[in-house]
Amino acid sequence: EIVLTQSPGTLSLSPGEKATLSCSASQTILSSHLAWYQQKPGQAPRLVMFGTSDRAIGIPDRFSGSGSGTDFTLTISRLEPEDFAVYYCQHYDDSTGTFGQGTKVEIK
Amino acid sequence: QVQLMQSGAEVKQPGSSVKVSCKASGGTFSSYTISWVRQAPGQGPEWMGGTIPIFNTSNYAQRFQDRLTITADESTGTAYMELTSLRSEDTAVYYCARLQLWTSFFDSWGQGTLVTVSS
Repeated sequence: EIVLTQSPGTLSLSPGEKATLSCSASQTILSSHLAWYQQKPGQAPRLVMFGTSDRAIGIPDRFSGSGSGTDFTLTISRLEPEDFAVYYCQHYDDSTGTFGQGTKVEIK
Repeated sequence: QVQLMQSGAEVKQPGSSVKVSCKASGGTFSSYTISWVRQAPGQGPEWMGGTIPIFNTSNYAQRFQDRLTITADESTGTAYMELTSLRSEDTAVYYCARLQLWTSFFDSWGQGTLVTVSS
């Protein structure tokens, strides 16, 4: 079973700053099988990035994704007030899914 | 655009079962997998299992193998998740989520159903 470990647990940043979120897989995974979600309190997760680096519909270009093998990154170039939320990475393969434990991006 | 609409909140006794529904409005289940993901208070999402209605197959995370059943009725566009032998640790929001066949991401989510297990 693949385990996804996210770091850091919490990022305290100011609007306009850059956020770098990491997701590490316990074994090599295909880049096409790694996605990121944003979740705000009381809401369902929202797809942000799929296939490591493809933005979902409606996601602004300040969001970017990169990585391969076991290490993946979600970057938000300049934080806007609506970007403060919890972000989860997710892997799906062989009809089995798994999520990371999340990184909270909070206002400093 | 397909929306996933889930049934309402449930309060259950320990040892009982719960069945939550997820109906696709504005479309069908064709070419999709419907997964169930739960989220305990303050925790991250946890994938529980999924079903592919057009293939009539389901698969489950190992930890739920013996007490989880996921089914789908293509004629009504509704998927179901039944969890038995409930315990307090099963208290969570349960989401259905859609994944297109041969992709690896959930592009549409239900609104969530809170299941509370308490005596």
